[in-house]
Amino acid sequence: LAKTTQPISMDSYEGQEVNITCSHNNIATNDYITWYQQFPSQGPRFIIQGYKTKVTNEVASLFIPADRKSSTLSLPRVSLSDTAVYYCLVGDRMDSNYQLIWGAGTKLIIKP
Amino acid sequence: NAGVTQTPKFQVLKTGQSMTLQCAQDMNHEYMSWYRQDPGMGLRLIHYSVGAGITDQGEVPNGYNVSRSTTEDFPLRLLSAAPSQTSVYFCATAGRRNEQFFGPGTRLTVL
Repeated sequence: LAKTTQPISMDSYEGQEVNITCSHNNIATNDYITWYQQFPSQGPRFIIQGYKTKVTNEVASLFIPADRKSSTLSLPRVSLSDTAVYYCLVGDRMDSNYQLIWGAGTKLIIKP
Repeated sequence: NAGVTQTPKFQVLKTGQSMTLQCAQDMNHEYMSWYRQDPGMGLRLIHYSVGAGITDQGEVPNGYNVSRSTTEDFPLRLLSAAPSQTSVYFCATAGRRNEQFFGPGTRLTVL
């Protein structure tokens, strides 16, 4: 199981673009990279998942370089409601014994 | 669709008591799991199930039992509660891309 490393905390301002980078040096060939968002007193919520290059959905983009040893979650034009903890996880999504190692995540604080 | 539901939302136990945390899903997902989350920490996997009748241990299984008699339900049983089990417990299912969907959590305090 690949372990991930993220910054413990970050802060930014409303309207800015925020990039959170995660390193996963021992990512395996079949591993996908998945990001979750967690608000206080709630369970994590799936944001985005990718394997290589760039993935974009309605809330975020995920950039993955060719060596896949890191990934960057990009949140465009953040608002106060984006204040949350963000988790980066890697795992083999085709593995029936799918397990993920959750680190402490990155606490993102958005200021007005 | 309710997604993933958990009951109760809050529970206070005395040391040595037993109880069952309930989890139900209406997403028809085969994979279900239980996590605990301590303050300021990430989630730790307790037990998981890849389908009805199949369960397996995660990272921190001691003191907990699970069963999976139906696709929809995955209860977690605390055998003899200890203060170290004070935590927030989340149940989750996984979709076809193994993206996980979480319930609202049960906040458990053991005195």
